[in-house]
Amino acid sequence: DQQVKQNSPSLSVQEGRISILNCDYTNSMFDYFLWYKKYPAEGPTFLISISSIKDKNEDGRFTVFLNKSAKHLSLHIVPSQPGDSAVYFCAARSDFGNEKLTFGTGTRLTIIP
Amino acid sequence: SAVISQKPSRDICQRGTSLTIQCQVDSQVTMMFWYRQQPGQSLTLIATANQGSEATYESGFVIDKFPISRPNLTFSTLTVSNLSPEDSSIYLCSVEDPRGSYEQYFGPGTRLTVT
Repeated sequence: DQQVKQNSPSLSVQEGRISILNCDYTNSMFDYFLWYKKYPAEGPTFLISISSIKDKNEDGRFTVFLNKSAKHLSLHIVPSQPGDSAVYFCAARSDFGNEKLTFGTGTRLTIIP
Repeated sequence: SAVISQKPSRDICQRGTSLTIQCQVDSQVTMMFWYRQQPGQSLTLIATANQGSEATYESGFVIDKFPISRPNLTFSTLTVSNLSPEDSSIYLCSVEDPRGSYEQYFGPGTRLTVT
């Protein structure tokens, strides 16, 4: 039972354009969402997060949008840079989950120079 | 953020043997987590390790197969026992943010190949 889904396994975007990565979840108890970036042979690196009481959080080139009614969140990267090429995971947390993070399957983002 | 190291970074093991993975953190943390990432898959939580208590295992993971030690607030080990090719994965430890946010910080991972 995949409670967090990233339906696009891969995405290619031209350098300088906007990258939009999507994530859907099914568990209505999730109240905190995170995005991680992973390079090969490295552990995931935290990027940005959002609480369920907000619908947007911005940090530099990264913005996360949350649509609770649709159980959907997205990560926008603008402008996209070659160093953004990586696998991106969304993750969700519930207050009743003992700090456990549930991860999506990941989206491989490739930025084309 | 916490700095986390893991040993070994990779290993190739024979079927039926065991591998112990070490995780060291540069600050004291209450909770440490062990994840598995099978090829092409998501990260799946194996267990949560609190210092001074037994680890809490997720559904599908048992202590006999994945014994965990947590002797102090900066160190933990995960052993993968009686290895089979299906155990070939990346194993990652993570820690909660020492500042108390909901973020988790991950080590670089251990890539295990079982032959």
